[in-house]
Amino acid sequence: GAVVSQHPSWVICKSGTSVKIECRSLDFQATTMFWYRQFPKQSLMLMATSNEGSKATYEQGVEKDKFLINHASLTLSTLTVTSAHPEDSSFYICSAASGRGTDTQYFGPGTRLTVL
Amino acid sequence: DAKTTQPPSMDCAEGRAANLPCNHSTISGNEYVYWYRQIHSQGPQYIIHGLKNNETNEMASLIITEDRKSSTLILPHATLRDTAVYYCIVRNGTYKYIFGTGTRLKVLA
Repeated sequence: GAVVSQHPSWVICKSGTSVKIECRSLDFQATTMFWYRQFPKQSLMLMATSNEGSKATYEQGVEKDKFLINHASLTLSTLTVTSAHPEDSSFYICSAASGRGTDTQYFGPGTRLTVL
Repeated sequence: DAKTTQPPSMDCAEGRAANLPCNHSTISGNEYVYWYRQIHSQGPQYIIHGLKNNETNEMASLIITEDRKSSTLILPHATLRDTAVYYCIVRNGTYKYIFGTGTRLKVLA
């Protein structure tokens, strides 16, 4: 149980294009989903928290117009990196929590984005 | 949010117990301690969590001191596949996780 998938697992795009990453909770309903990014040899950094049906809450320093988050259903959240640039190249990881009790986050396998 | 402090790296012989410490001296009464691990280029994997009492599951044991200012994750019989970065996280009611730098555990054959 508690499986989270991400698609795609890796993507290469040209500078200036937009890239959409999907995060799905496969066997539970996720009231809350989180998006993180991780640069090489660094820890995970929380970008934003999204609750189903409402606007995402972004961490300080994260541009909400650049990283568009949609959490339209209890099993799907998407992160769109708009007008991607080489400095956006990173490992993007989502997690999902059911929103009940002590609530453990379950993480997806991550998406490696490379912007040329 | 309470901060955590972990040693940057540890080695452990295969088959031996791996004891990974974590300090969280500013933890408050309603904050849980979570442990995850991340194998290279994968998403973090949940291991165990606790509030006050010691916990055990099929992967590991979590020992939390009585004052809750520190905890230890125990992998009873480490294998080469346990080589990973282990993160100790203190989580409050907002459900947000703040990741520290973790401990890089290397299990040696």
